[in-house]
Amino acid sequence: KNQVEQSPQSLIILEGKNCTLQCNYTVSPFSNLRWYKQDTGRGPVSLTIMTFSENTKSNGRYTATLDADTKQSSLHITASQLSDSASYICVVSEDRYSTLTFGKGTMLLVSP
Amino acid sequence: GAGVSQSPSNKVTEKGKDVELRCDPISGHTALYWYRQSLGQGLEFLIYFQGNSAPDKSGLPSDRFSAERTGGSVSTLTIQRTQQEDSAVYLCASSLGRSGEQYFGPGTRLTVT
Repeated sequence: KNQVEQSPQSLIILEGKNCTLQCNYTVSPFSNLRWYKQDTGRGPVSLTIMTFSENTKSNGRYTATLDADTKQSSLHITASQLSDSASYICVVSEDRYSTLTFGKGTMLLVSP
Repeated sequence: GAGVSQSPSNKVTEKGKDVELRCDPISGHTALYWYRQSLGQGLEFLIYFQGNSAPDKSGLPSDRFSAERTGGSVSTLTIQRTQQEDSAVYLCASSLGRSGEQYFGPGTRLTVT
């Protein structure tokens, strides 16, 4: 069964600090991996998308890495801001119909 | 342009009643998806539309769940004889094609009492 596991489940950091969120997956065949940010009461918004041949991609203060051999990805947030408080969801896509397998997310709280 | 919209934003219904949830995708997006997000769980795929047809209904949890899409645009997810375990946030997403970036709506929070 295809699975996406994220860690930690939740995280509290001080404003201005960096943090790294982890994602391990068993999805096969692999098409791409995406990180989404979901604010409370809102739908997920895409941060990055990486295919098999890409091992890093940045979007502002967000940097995602992908190791397709070990089936691991990370999302690094630099100089965190209060607005970064949200759930961060790792999503892996298979080829067929681009079916997405979602992780349960990491709930990040940035405190002042 | 306008994003994906969903209505209602919140729905409280009694067990056993039927409910209809609506999704208005981004104009021109041919692919439309329904997901369910239960408390503490990841998003669960329900159904995918390409145009008005649904090539993948594999995620619908029971025959109480059905969905349709008309005019290649608006979609309705219907849950018949609702049960308490149906309580969740139902999210809709659309994309230009089946492999395109999916854009999500704000969701409908369904509470079955």
